[in-house]
Parts: sequence; structure tokens; C-alpha cells
Amino acid sequence: DAMVIQNPRYQVTQFGKPVTLSCSQTLNHNVMYWYQQKSSQAPKLLFHYYDKDFNNEADTPDNFQSRRPNTSFCFLDIRSPGLGDAAMYLCATSRDRSGDTQYFGPGTRLTVL
Amino acid sequence: GESVGLHLPTLSVQEGDNSIINCAYSNSASDYFIWYKQESGKGPQFIIDIRSNMDKRQGQRVTVLLNKTVKHLSLQIAATQPGDSAVYFCAENGANSKLTFGKGITLSVRP
Repeated sequence: DAMVIQNPRYQVTQFGKPVTLSCSQTLNHNVMYWYQQKSSQAPKLLFHYYDKDFNNEADTPDNFQSRRPNTSFCFLDIRSPGLGDAAMYLCATSRDRSGDTQYFGPGTRLTVL
Repeated sequence: GESVGLHLPTLSVQEGDNSIINCAYSNSASDYFIWYKQESGKGPQFIIDIRSNMDKRQGQRVTVLLNKTVKHLSLQIAATQPGDSAVYFCAENGANSKLTFGKGITLSVRP
């Protein structure tokens, strides 16, 4: 089945130790998004790629970076995780940006020790 | 650790009853709306969507109603089942083509 896959599902890292989360999709969608979701809150958009074009949200900390080496894969890099970065990280895809449904992966739960 | 967010409002319904989940959106220019269901520890799952040129859309056991005059969206679930227990988010797609999520409502189904 076409889908959005995230690995790992659970990630534990140490304070300040870089971590990379991965997302892949078999939907062949042009747009890939990364969201951060904290407990009992709505997902918060960090950035998105429209094809190879990177679009950062104004309030996304510099600590968060992203790479999209090809259509199928997108990575979220957290350069120096702080305790406040512990959250669920969600990847989503859509065929286009305007008025298209976003389909979410299962998420990666990040714990920072 | 993770910061503590606000407790989500909760709707409690009896199994078999109909559920109505309401959402107010903010941007009158929004032209596309989606309801997502999120179960504990999982990503949001698409339920149903509606465009601004419609005021009602039906799916299997679910209906979405859109009232653009008062900027109100609702999700109706018929014959609510235990498996419907989850957090429900409405989302609007505005002029900037980004999804803006509502706060989320917890649906709890009593057996």
C-alpha cells in the first residue's frame, strides 16, 4: 500500500547529541512536511519541501534542519537537542501545496535525556 | 522533558449514539477543510474533507458540515463505536496553502 513511513518510531537521545529522523513515502508526492507535536497540542509545522525547494517557518529554531535527497526521502536533523525538543515528530506528504490533503506518517517519539 | 500542554476538551458519548464535534476556524479566505483523527501514539489519520464551495459532505458513518457565514465546521459520526475514541483535529487550508490545525477535541466512547 502507498504510504508514509517514519523511522525509527521511538528515538532516545542525550542532551546536545545530534539526532536524525527519517521519512519516506511511496505516494510520489511533491510536498513533504515536518511537524512537531507536543502533548495535548496540535501539530506545529517546522518546514516543508516543495520538490527541492525548502520552505522554513519563521519561528522554527535554527537547531532544526532538513534534507530531501530525492522525492521519496526526507530527513529531520536536530543538531543539539534540548529537553524542550522532546516531542512527537510527524512527517506528512501532499501531492501539491494548494488545497491538497496532507497524509501523515505514524510519527517518531523523541525522548531527550 | 516535554512541556505540558493544555488539557484538550473532551466529548463523552454512549456507544451507539451519534457524535457531533465542532470547530471554529479563523480565516475567512480558507477554501479547504480537513478532519483528522489521531489515536494515542499514532499520526493523524485523514477522515474527510470539504471545499468551500460545498456545505455538506458525507462519508461512511461521517458527515462534515461547513457554515462559512459563521466560520464553523462540524464532524458528525453516526453510531459511535469504541474504535472512534481518539483526538479529532479540524484543519483549514488558507491562502498561504498551509494547514492550520484547531486545538483538538478528545472523543471518549462509553460502553
